[in-house]
Amino acid sequence: AQKVTQAQTEISVVEKEDVTLDCVYETRDTTYYLFWYKQPPSGELVFLIRRNSFDEQNEISGRYSWNFQKSTSSFNFTITASQVVDSAVYFCALSEASFGNEKLTFGTGTRLTIIP
Amino acid sequence: EAQVTQNPRYLITVTGKKLTVTCSQNMNHEYMSWYRQDPGLGLRQIYYSMNVEVTDKGDVPEGYKVSRKEKRNFPLILESPSPNQTSLYFCASSSPRLTSGGLNEQFFGPGTRLTVL
Repeated sequence: AQKVTQAQTEISVVEKEDVTLDCVYETRDTTYYLFWYKQPPSGELVFLIRRNSFDEQNEISGRYSWNFQKSTSSFNFTITASQVVDSAVYFCALSEASFGNEKLTFGTGTRLTIIP
Repeated sequence: EAQVTQNPRYLITVTGKKLTVTCSQNMNHEYMSWYRQDPGLGLRQIYYSMNVEVTDKGDVPEGYKVSRKEKRNFPLILESPSPNQTSLYFCASSSPRLTSGGLNEQFFGPGTRLTVL
């Protein structure tokens, strides 16, 4: 069964500090997809990134970067030079590629607070 | 504007009174799904639908029903709501999975906060 663990329930950092959000997943499939979503205080869910299991290159988008390591089944998310607008709940999610299983499994989320 | 809409946004009801939460998308997406969000439990998938007349259970389907008679609509039905179904519900849609498998990014509705007394 697919599973996503976000062990960090809450993190607080001072503005401009770097912060890494951890995501560990379990799957029996060799092909799968990982996602990160952001939920700001306003409540909507915003897609950040989708990564397939064949692409282990790290990805950078502005102040955001993602480190995918199959060896440790982790897909961690780093925010560089954090800003108050980064305060949100962040969810990691997993989709297996096997047909017949179209579930999307989320982790429990990490609440990130950026202190001005 | 591409969007997923849910109605109502807020609902307070009593145990046992049937209710329906509607979900509609205007992006011609095949895949639609429902999630509930509870403190400490994150988002959990209730049901999903790969296309019209094709639905399947997610991880927490007990106490819920869905139907997909039209591509754009995916209502969530609680036939006999109970207090443990008090939650924040999200509907989402996405374009078809790639031939290599796996889901595409989900577009989420604004959420429906349901309280069952």
